[in-house]
Amino acid sequence: EDKVVQSPLSLVVHEGDTVTLNCSYEVTNFRSLLWYKQEKKAPTFLFMLTSSGIEKKSGRLSSILDKKELFSILNITATQTGDSAIYLCAVPHGSSNTGKLIFGQGTTLQVKP
Amino acid sequence: NAGVMQNPRHLVRRRGQEARLRCSPMKGHSHVYWYRQLPEEGLKFMVYLQKENIIDESGMPKERFSAEFPKEGPSILRIQQVVRGDSAAYFCASSSQMNAQETQYFGPGTRLLVL
Repeated sequence: EDKVVQSPLSLVVHEGDTVTLNCSYEVTNFRSLLWYKQEKKAPTFLFMLTSSGIEKKSGRLSSILDKKELFSILNITATQTGDSAIYLCAVPHGSSNTGKLIFGQGTTLQVKP
Repeated sequence: NAGVMQNPRHLVRRRGQEARLRCSPMKGHSHVYWYRQLPEEGLKFMVYLQKENIIDESGMPKERFSAEFPKEGPSILRIQQVVRGDSAAYFCASSSQMNAQETQYFGPGTRLLVL
């Protein structure tokens, strides 16, 4: 059964800290891995990763994929209170060709001033 | 270019009533996905639709739940005879293509509370 596991489930840091969020997956026929940020409303798209070892970067956020070890990390440097959110990792279901996403439980990040 | 629209944003129903949740995909998107997020849980896939077709409903409960995406108008997720366990946030996502390389964009969700 396809599975996505995120860790830690929750994290509390202070502004300026750097955090690393983890996502491991088991999926048949891997195609891509996606990161979303969920505040009070819609999950908003952050990154899609398809190739191992290539870092994707957007401002203070970056992410990388390791297809051999079946995991991805999301890094946030110089955290701000506005980074407080649930970070979701997802992979498309392996044996289905419909693009439906399998989500991890999410990591709840709280950044204190 | 408006994003994915969902309404209502909040819905309160008593046990036994019907809940109808609407989703308008992003302009140019013809693929719609519905997900449910129960308290303290991650998003779970429910159903995938294209215009006038249900493609994958493997995540839908067998009873009381149905979905449609008519030729004209929004996609509708209908829950009949709601029970307290249906209380959750229901998210709709859309994409322009079916394949797994295509990013899904999410709406703000409808938070259903069953009293």
